[in-house]
Amino acid sequence: SQTIHQWPATLVQPVGSPLSLECTVEGTSNPNLYWYRQAAGRGLQLLFYSVGIGQISSEVPQNLSASRPQDRQFILSSKKLLLSDSGFYLCASSGTDFNEQYFGPGTRLTVT
Amino acid sequence: GENVEQHPSTLSVQEGDSAVIKCTYSDSASNYFPWYKQELGKRPQLIIDIRSNVGEKKDQRIAVTLNKTAKHFSLHITETQPEDSAVYFCAARGGSYIPTFGRGTSLIVHP
Repeated sequence: SQTIHQWPATLVQPVGSPLSLECTVEGTSNPNLYWYRQAAGRGLQLLFYSVGIGQISSEVPQNLSASRPQDRQFILSSKKLLLSDSGFYLCASSGTDFNEQYFGPGTRLTVT
Repeated sequence: GENVEQHPSTLSVQEGDSAVIKCTYSDSASNYFPWYKQELGKRPQLIIDIRSNVGEKKDQRIAVTLNKTAKHFSLHITETQPEDSAVYFCAARGGSYIPTFGRGTSLIVHP
């Protein structure tokens, strides 16, 4: 079965600082990868998804970007964080059929 | 694109009662319907899913039913226990291939 790693687990960053969150997947090859954000007490907002190395689709216009430098590595970045970027960031993985998404443990980001 | 509505937003039951959460979807091409459970501060976990070629699927105390004609599907939890307390999300995967999630139902099981 696959395992999804995310780090860091928690992060406190000042407004205007850069961001880099990393996600790696074990136990599968050629997965579809996703970044979601969840505000406190809210639903899951899809930010980006990727069907292969270097292939990124953006779902929501914002100051975030994503990259997939390797098959099982997915990175979420920002050059300048906003207060509204605070939230619980979840990486997810699925097979190429887009079914059965499995989520990583998440990174809780607080922008101060 | 796909639109998923989930009801109720909050559900409070007594231990041992049944709980039902309902979702409707808009894309008639949707053919995969997962349910996720998210405990406080944790990641969502896939608990059951159903594909469009079946009408019902059961796993111990959890069952999911699908009505493709009416475009709705439901999660049924029987003999609820306090550890069932969590937020439950439905999702539908349609023609765009990316699953669309409902807004979640907070289930509270009182001992």
